[in-house]
Amino acid sequence: EAGVAQSPRYKIIEKRQSVAFWCNPISGHATLYWYQQILGQGPKLLIQFQNNGVVDDSQLPKDRFSAERLKGVDSTLKIQPAKLEDSAVYLCASSLVGERDEQYFGPGTRLTVT
Amino acid sequence: RKEVEQDPGPFNVPEGATVAFNCTYSNSASQSFFWYRQDCRKEPKLLMSVYSSGNEDGRFTAQLNRASQYISLLIRDSKLSDSATYLCVVNAAGTYKYIFGTGTRLKVLA
Repeated sequence: EAGVAQSPRYKIIEKRQSVAFWCNPISGHATLYWYQQILGQGPKLLIQFQNNGVVDDSQLPKDRFSAERLKGVDSTLKIQPAKLEDSAVYLCASSLVGERDEQYFGPGTRLTVT
Repeated sequence: RKEVEQDPGPFNVPEGATVAFNCTYSNSASQSFFWYRQDCRKEPKLLMSVYSSGNEDGRFTAQLNRASQYISLLIRDSKLSDSATYLCVVNAAGTYKYIFGTGTRLKVLA
């Protein structure tokens, strides 16, 4: 079974530039998550989709971050404009549906903002 | 108080030792609990779910103490390959939102 795919794996940009990340979840998984993981910390949930609807985006900095999940499958996360403090690994995860389901993580995108 | 708290470590233990980590959570209505393992520069992977009755998988045992609001992970007969960061994950009651702790770093020494 194919896992969660993410691209790119690495990205270096200057502050105030824009960047986009892509995620393809495991086939059949209804729930998709985007996490931000800063070095030395645990993953922090940015946004959670159930099919193509947003379940939780309370920790998404909406003035600069946006995300969408078209047709309830692939998802993109965008940062515009980027700040130095956005340097982190952005992890995408998916799960079947509910709160007891295992989350499967993609390899992440390592973003460096200079 | 943080929603999920872990001692960041590192815990340095010799091979063959038994080591235990605790994780406290603040929301008494939390219902689902997990331990994830994260290797350096890799993504987190589920180690085990934590049930009310406890859960054992080989050398790993997870326990839930609702009265004191913590979960624990016990690793027996530590192996070098157990070296990793162990993330505690708690489901926020009434939602599908998972809250991760900062992780506890374990180093098993030869």
